[in-house]
Amino acid sequence: DQQVKQNSPSLSVQEGRISILNCDYTNSMFDYFLWYKKYPAEGPTFLISISSIKDKNEDGRFTVFLNKSAKHLSLHIVPSQPGDSAVYFCAARDAGGTSYGKLTFGQGTILTVHP
Amino acid sequence: SAVISQKPSRDICQRGTSLTIQCQVDSQVTMMFWYRQQPGQSLTLIATANQGSEATYESGFVIDKFPISRPNLTFSTLTVSNMSPEDSSIYLCSVDQYPRTFFGQGTRLTVV
Repeated sequence: DQQVKQNSPSLSVQEGRISILNCDYTNSMFDYFLWYKKYPAEGPTFLISISSIKDKNEDGRFTVFLNKSAKHLSLHIVPSQPGDSAVYFCAARDAGGTSYGKLTFGQGTILTVHP
Repeated sequence: SAVISQKPSRDICQRGTSLTIQCQVDSQVTMMFWYRQQPGQSLTLIATANQGSEATYESGFVIDKFPISRPNLTFSTLTVSNMSPEDSSIYLCSVDQYPRTFFGQGTRLTVV
């Protein structure tokens, strides 16, 4: 049972345009959602997060939107840059009991930004 | 954010042997986590390591295969025991600084 899903394995965008990465989840106990960027030879780098009580969080070129009723979140990158090309993981943090602090990851979306 | 150092960054090991991965954090943290990323897959939690207590393992992972130590609030080790080619993965340690989680650079393990 996959509790966090990223249904798009890849996304290709032109430099300067908007990149929108999507993520769906099923577990109502998640209290925070996080986005990570990962290059092949490195660990995931934290990008931005959002609390389950918010619907939007913005940090520079990155904005995350949360739609709790639809159990859906999205990461918007604008304007997209070639250096943004990487794998993006959506992760959800568990608030409950013995699972406190555990992250459940989506499968990842490969973003390619073309010059 | 915490700075996390993992050693080794990569290794090639013979099947049947064991490898111990070290994770050092530059500040004291209560919770440390070990994740695995198999080729082409997402990250999966192996276990949670709290100082002074036994690690808590996720379904599908057992202590005999992945023993973990957490001797203090800045250090942890994960051992991959009796390795087989199926253990070839990236192993990552992470620390919890609520509400964020930060990761080390990972250990790329290849078992031949």
